[in-house]
Amino acid sequence: NAGVTQTPKFQVLKTGQSMTLQCAQDMNHNSMYWYRQDPGMGLRLIYYSASEGTTDKGEVPNGYNVSRLNKREFSLRLESAAPSQTSVYFCASSESRVMNTQYFGPGTRLTVL
Amino acid sequence: AQTVTQSQPEMSVQEAETVTLSCTYDTSESNYYLFWYKQPPSRQMILVIRQEAYKQQNATENRFSVNFQKAAKSFSLKISDSQLGDTAMYFCAFIANFGNEKLTFGTGTRLTIIP
Repeated sequence: NAGVTQTPKFQVLKTGQSMTLQCAQDMNHNSMYWYRQDPGMGLRLIYYSASEGTTDKGEVPNGYNVSRLNKREFSLRLESAAPSQTSVYFCASSESRVMNTQYFGPGTRLTVL
Repeated sequence: AQTVTQSQPEMSVQEAETVTLSCTYDTSESNYYLFWYKQPPSRQMILVIRQEAYKQQNATENRFSVNFQKAAKSFSLKISDSQLGDTAMYFCAFIANFGNEKLTFGTGTRLTIIP
């Protein structure tokens, strides 16, 4: 039981490049989330998916897109990376909107030059 | 909108001592959950403890316990018999129940356990 996994662990991009961060969970959770963590700040919600087939914007969605591929997988895409998107990205999942304790993946450190 | 405030950016304590981390929050919701997460140097976010707002009894998990004061909107974390492995960033977080997906985090407290 791996919990929440994320790939890659580290990534360096040039401004304007695109990439997709992958997230998968094996806990049969319905809800999945993407957060970013910047120095001196707590985590901020980018997008979430309350259930398979649905996605909604969080606090800081600009410059990102997401796909809930199936119940297990939730990807985050940067279409045209900008230096302001340099951050650590965390994926999380929870059983449901009611049983809403969120469990986090190990994070992806992204640097945009 | 919910806000979570952690007023202690850094703390340090001798190994085996007890330390308390402070957290206050602001919300108009009546049903909600509060959490403490630990983030060690490995960067993994690890759930430490969870408190349901409707429960008057304070949550405990081994050496970790909370002091939940709903009227004062205060949610402090007490770590007893601190260990070197407790060195980490600690984040307080809030989520409203039913319909609100957003987990709101404080800015964190960096705790160092001194040998």
